[in-house]
Amino acid sequence: NAGVTQTPKFRVLKTGQSMTLLCAQDMNHEYMYWYRQDPGMGLRLIHYSVGEGTTAKGEVPDGYNVSRLKKQNFLLGLESAAPSQTSVYFCASSYRGLSWDYGYTFGSGTRLTVV
Amino acid sequence: GESVGLHLPTLSVQEGDNSIINCAYSNSASDYFIWYKQESGKGPQFIIDIRSNMDKRQGQRVTVLLNKTVKHLSLQIAATQPGDSAVYFCAENIPRWGKLQFGAGTQVVVTP
Repeated sequence: NAGVTQTPKFRVLKTGQSMTLLCAQDMNHEYMYWYRQDPGMGLRLIHYSVGEGTTAKGEVPDGYNVSRLKKQNFLLGLESAAPSQTSVYFCASSYRGLSWDYGYTFGSGTRLTVV
Repeated sequence: GESVGLHLPTLSVQEGDNSIINCAYSNSASDYFIWYKQESGKGPQFIIDIRSNMDKRQGQRVTVLLNKTVKHLSLQIAATQPGDSAVYFCAENIPRWGKLQFGAGTQVVVTP
């Protein structure tokens, strides 16, 4: 049981390039989230999804797009990368919102550097 | 706006001692809180949670205390071990938002 898997683990992009981060979960969770983590700051929600085919904006959605075509996958896209998007990106999932004694399950992260 | 915060950015603890990590929150409507542990290069890992109608909850070597009067949350780790070295952060659930809001974290360093 892998939990939440993120690919790639590391990536370096040039300004203006595009890329897609993949998140896959095998726990049959309904809800999935994308966060970014920057030094000295808490995790900030980029986008989230409450089910297959649905997505919604979080706190910091600008410059990102997402898609949830399959329940188990949640994709995060950067159409034109900027240095301000240098960060560590975490995907998380949950059964439906918050679960007692469980919270969210996080992936191991993708470290993205935009030069 | 209201947010979750931490008092101490770094906590140095001797192996075997108890650790206390603090978190201040300012949103009185928050109804649920979680403590996460994040080791270097890894994703956050769930430790323990507590609802707003509780004052205390215990797990294995960990205790979370909630003081709603002063909007304060703490995580106590008993007999701290080298494997406890990590960043710990709290998160609160704000009902009107329906998702977790995270604090910045405290780095815990366990010394021999």
